[in-house]
Amino acid sequence: DQQVKQNSPSLSVQEGRISILNCDYTNSMFDYFLWYKKYPAEGPTFLISISSIKDKNEDGRFTVFLNKSAKHLSLHIVPSQPGDSAVYFCAASDRGGGSNYKLTFGKGTLLTVNP
Amino acid sequence: DAGITQSPRHKVTETGTPVTLRCHQTENHRYMYWYRQDPGHGLRLIHYSYGVKDTDKGEVSDGYSVSRSKTEDFLLTLESATSSQTSVYFCAIRGGTGANVLTFGAGSRLTVL
Repeated sequence: DQQVKQNSPSLSVQEGRISILNCDYTNSMFDYFLWYKKYPAEGPTFLISISSIKDKNEDGRFTVFLNKSAKHLSLHIVPSQPGDSAVYFCAASDRGGGSNYKLTFGKGTLLTVNP
Repeated sequence: DAGITQSPRHKVTETGTPVTLRCHQTENHRYMYWYRQDPGHGLRLIHYSYGVKDTDKGEVSDGYSVSRSKTEDFLLTLESATSSQTSVYFCAIRGGTGANVLTFGAGSRLTVL
């Protein structure tokens, strides 16, 4: 049973436009959500996170929105740049799990930003 | 840089042979993880450790074992490699850019023929 779902395997946008990547989750115990970016032949790198007590977190061109009632989060990139082309993974955790702390990832969305 | 080193970075082996992947960290992080990445599956947790000699299974632990005899090293062993274990393996530590963030190594690409 997939607890974190990224239903769009790929997304293509024009440089300068907004990129919106979506993620849904099913486990109501998740209270911390993260986005990672991955380039080919490299490890995933942390991008931005949001706690369940917030509905928005912003860091430069990147904003994450959380809708707890819908169990949905999204990552907005504005403006999109060609260097943003990568696979983006959504991840979730239950911080109340004590020593059982781990991240559950979605399958990823390949973002291509065209010049 | 969280000081994570994975070795080997690339390995080709044959079905039925044992394989050990090593993750080494230099910053005394308590939590360490092994994930695998496969097309269409994203990142899936194999095993993790929350201290020396304290380990637990993830969602895809069958066919894998781990050991953590000292803080800095977390070993992933495939006792008898199969073609379905061809994958890219990532080690991670909890910490680096935030207490609840996982920081990943560069990955180890394993091909089982």
